[in-house]
Amino acid sequence: NAGVTQTPKFRILKIGQSMTLQCTQDMNHNYMYWYRQDPGMGLKLIYYSVGAGITDKGEVPNGYNVSRSTTEDFPLRLELAAPSQTSVYFCASSLPDKNTEAFFGQGTRLTVV
Amino acid sequence: QKEVEQNSGPLSVPEGAIASLNCTYSDRVSQSFFWYRQYSGKSPELIMSIYSNGDKEDGRFTAQLNKASQYVSLLIRDSQPSDSATYLCAVNLRDDKIIFGKGTRLHILP
Repeated sequence: NAGVTQTPKFRILKIGQSMTLQCTQDMNHNYMYWYRQDPGMGLKLIYYSVGAGITDKGEVPNGYNVSRSTTEDFPLRLELAAPSQTSVYFCASSLPDKNTEAFFGQGTRLTVV
Repeated sequence: QKEVEQNSGPLSVPEGAIASLNCTYSDRVSQSFFWYRQYSGKSPELIMSIYSNGDKEDGRFTAQLNKASQYVSLLIRDSQPSDSATYLCAVNLRDDKIIFGKGTRLHILP
C-alpha cells in the first residue's frame, strides 16, 4: 500500500520558472492538504481540499494554485517561482472525519535560485 | 493570536526523565488534537490523538486535553535518546483545516 506519494523528491528552480508538485494517494481519502515547512519551523497550510472539485485557501496561499479533479490527485502549481518559496513541501490526506489523523507523503525539497 | 502555539525549545531532558510538551490553541470549537513527531529530514508521523478532556495514555506517551483552558500537552515518560525529535501539535479546526504549531525541539541527554 503506497499511501501518499509525492514527486519529485528534490527540485531546483530558477527565479520566474514554474513547476507542478505532484501528490497522489491510494487510500480513497476525501481530504487532502498541502503544507510548506521552512527550516526550523512548523508546517504552514497552503491549500486544502475536502473532495474532488473543491479547494480552499490555507494560511499561506499566495504564489500557489491547486486543482482537485480526482479523489486521488492533488497537484500544487508554482507560477513565477521566487526565492521565498524555497522550502520543503508536504502533501497529506485524511478521511472526512475530524477524529482521524493526516497521513503524509515523503516531502519535496524545493530550492529557488 | 496564532491559532496553534508551541514553545519552539530546544527542550533538554535527561535520559529516563519525563519530557513535558505544551500547546495552546485559539479556536474554542476545535474538536480533535494531534501530536506528531518529526525526525530531521523526515515526514511527520502521528504519535497521539485526543478528542475528549482528560488524559489518554499509550505506552510511554500521555496526551492531556483541557478544552476550557484551550490547552493540550504531551508527556513522555522514561525519555530515550530516540525520542529526540521535533514534536508538532496539530488542531483540526471547525472548517476542516488541520493547522500545526511551529513545533518543539526535544533533546534527550544521554
